[in-house]
Amino acid sequence: QVQLVESGGGVVQPGRSLRLSCAASGFTFNSYDMHWVRQAPGKGLEWVAVIFYDGTNKYYVDSVKGRFTISRDNSKNMLYLQMNSLRAEDTAVYYCAKPRSGGYPEFDYWGQGTLVTVSS
Amino acid sequence: EIVLTQSPATLSLSPGERATLSCRASQSISSYLVWYQQKPGQAPRLLIYDSSNRATGIPARFSGSGSGTDFTLTITSLEREDFAVYYCQQRSNWPLTFGGGTKVEIK
Repeated sequence: QVQLVESGGGVVQPGRSLRLSCAASGFTFNSYDMHWVRQAPGKGLEWVAVIFYDGTNKYYVDSVKGRFTISRDNSKNMLYLQMNSLRAEDTAVYYCAKPRSGGYPEFDYWGQGTLVTVSS
Repeated sequence: EIVLTQSPATLSLSPGERATLSCRASQSISSYLVWYQQKPGQAPRLLIYDSSNRATGIPARFSGSGSGTDFTLTITSLEREDFAVYYCQQRSNWPLTFGGGTKVEIK
């Protein structure tokens, strides 16, 4: 069965960095674009970034451009989010999400989420 | 970016009643509209994709409609497990965007 397990969250000071990981299993990872979606406490969902199945293309929401980098290792079925210059407004639960089909971003599987808290 | 506006923000209904949720896009997104359900402490659950297609395992009481800029999620007869927050999402353009959500609560 499909499993997505995020890790790497925690409490970090503003301006510092954090790297999130998502371990994927139960599907052909290298055939799927993969996404990060976040949710601030008590707020709605916000899409953060996508990396295409082969790593050739990446897109980001404007608020994280230049600070966050999405990457993947298809040999290890791993997805990553490197977050630099963190701000208080980056505080959220971060989910990795798998599209229903390879390229269409409707998310049929989500991880349990990992909480990132940016605070001094 | 495409802005999705969901209404109402909160819907207070009783079990067995019909729920009608709206999602309006700031520009045409064809039929590239997705609906999710989220319960407290849980990840979202995919309900509907491409405006009207039910995802695997989703009961027939959930249906979606619309195209262009106006979309509707209908739950024909609310079950207790349907009380949750519902989000729409467009997949027409990058960046992907979500609506602000509609909370369906027990009256």
